[in-house]
Amino acid sequence: QQPVQSPQAVILREGEDAVINCSSSKALYSVHWYRQKHGEAPVFLMILLKGGEQKGHDKISASFNEKKQQSSLYLTASQLSYSGTYFCGTETTGNTGKLIFGQGTTLQVKP
Amino acid sequence: ETGVTQSPTHLIKTRGQQVTLRCSSQSGHNTVSWYQQALGQGPQFIFQYYREEENGRGNFPPRFSGLQFPNYSSELNVNALELDDSALYLCASRRDFSSYNEQFFGPGTRLTVL
Repeated sequence: QQPVQSPQAVILREGEDAVINCSSSKALYSVHWYRQKHGEAPVFLMILLKGGEQKGHDKISASFNEKKQQSSLYLTASQLSYSGTYFCGTETTGNTGKLIFGQGTTLQVKP
Repeated sequence: ETGVTQSPTHLIKTRGQQVTLRCSSQSGHNTVSWYQQALGQGPQFIFQYYREEENGRGNFPPRFSGLQFPNYSSELNVNALELDDSALYLCASRRDFSSYNEQFFGPGTRLTVL
């Protein structure tokens, strides 16, 4: 039931782009994306809802493919501050607030 | 606007003891969720409280219990601590369970069970 994230880790140079994927074996109602830096709280990035609605960060984009039960987070022109671990959290049965998180994708951006 | 706060920051307990962790939700938020995050893993949902009632529970034993108070702050209680309970415990609040809003996480309480 836990969503699967890929890749597990990625290293980039500043200015490069990255895509992080989140796949579920169950039909998804929503996908939530968070970034967590070491020793800090997860920070909200974006919500994508079944039906196409989304809310989130101005500089981050994401997609939600309901048929494939997957979401992708697009990080363009990466900055050093983008480093951290990215988690997707999914809801499968509606607006329950109960998020099932993936195992995380560690992103390191180098100068 | 004050964010989600948690106390204490760190805690060390021994196996078999009991612990209480506290969370103050963000101003205007009436829904609080608790998550357990083991090292190197994603957060795992423990339970959620909405207007002082438990509203959803994850796969955690009954020795994990909680409360929400009239001011929407919350407590997580863990009885009979086990070594595997060592983790970061995160509290997250959202504006209203009935509308769609993001969850904001607190900084967490790092619990070590010896």
